[in-house]
Amino acid sequence: QKEVEQNSGPLSVPEGAIASLNCTYSDRVSQSFFWYRQYSGKSPELIMSIYSNGDKEDGRFTAQLNKASQYVSLLIRDSQPSDSATYLCAVKRDAGNNRKLIWGLGTSLAVNP
Amino acid sequence: KAGVTQTPRYLIKTRGQQVTLSCSPISGHRSVSWYQQTPGQGLQFLFEYFSETQRNKGNFPGRFSGRQFSNSRSEMNVSTLELGDSALYLCASSPGQSTYEQYFGPGTRLTVT
Repeated sequence: QKEVEQNSGPLSVPEGAIASLNCTYSDRVSQSFFWYRQYSGKSPELIMSIYSNGDKEDGRFTAQLNKASQYVSLLIRDSQPSDSATYLCAVKRDAGNNRKLIWGLGTSLAVNP
Repeated sequence: KAGVTQTPRYLIKTRGQQVTLSCSPISGHRSVSWYQQTPGQGLQFLFEYFSETQRNKGNFPGRFSGRQFSNSRSEMNVSTLELGDSALYLCASSPGQSTYEQYFGPGTRLTVT
């Protein structure tokens, strides 16, 4: 089992719809979670961080965290073609001195006009 | 505030050669992490430096090394290049110890022939 798992996609949604991206993680003690967007040929860009159970909203983006289920998701409302990218989930591992981000392989999102 | 810069952006090397990549973090950021990104493996953590000290290291062979200077700029070196080292090498900076929000540079695309 990978430490951070995401469906590779592609996830295809029509313009204006809600895109739902999911991520599960295996380390129960993880406390910090991040969503990044990566356009083809570009580097990852931080979209949101979330540390507490529940929802965190920033514009059209909402991150949802459920530590009991070891699940974090990203909702994109009113999806636009410019949202078409790969979305990476990262989880901070806190194991003594071995503190680092563990990354999922990403979910490819295509928003169709 | 200027973002993370990486030089060079593209490199072509032959097997057996060595290469040095450079990263300048966002002003005020003291932590620099390096990643290797390939289509099949995703983002793989190489190492992290904080205040000139290597704070964490990933599972890469000793051919991969790095350092950080007093101005927080960082370099990574790969010796005895192999074909499998062809990848996008990304540098990410973070403010410090309390947060793991990382901001990426544009990357260096290394091709080993």
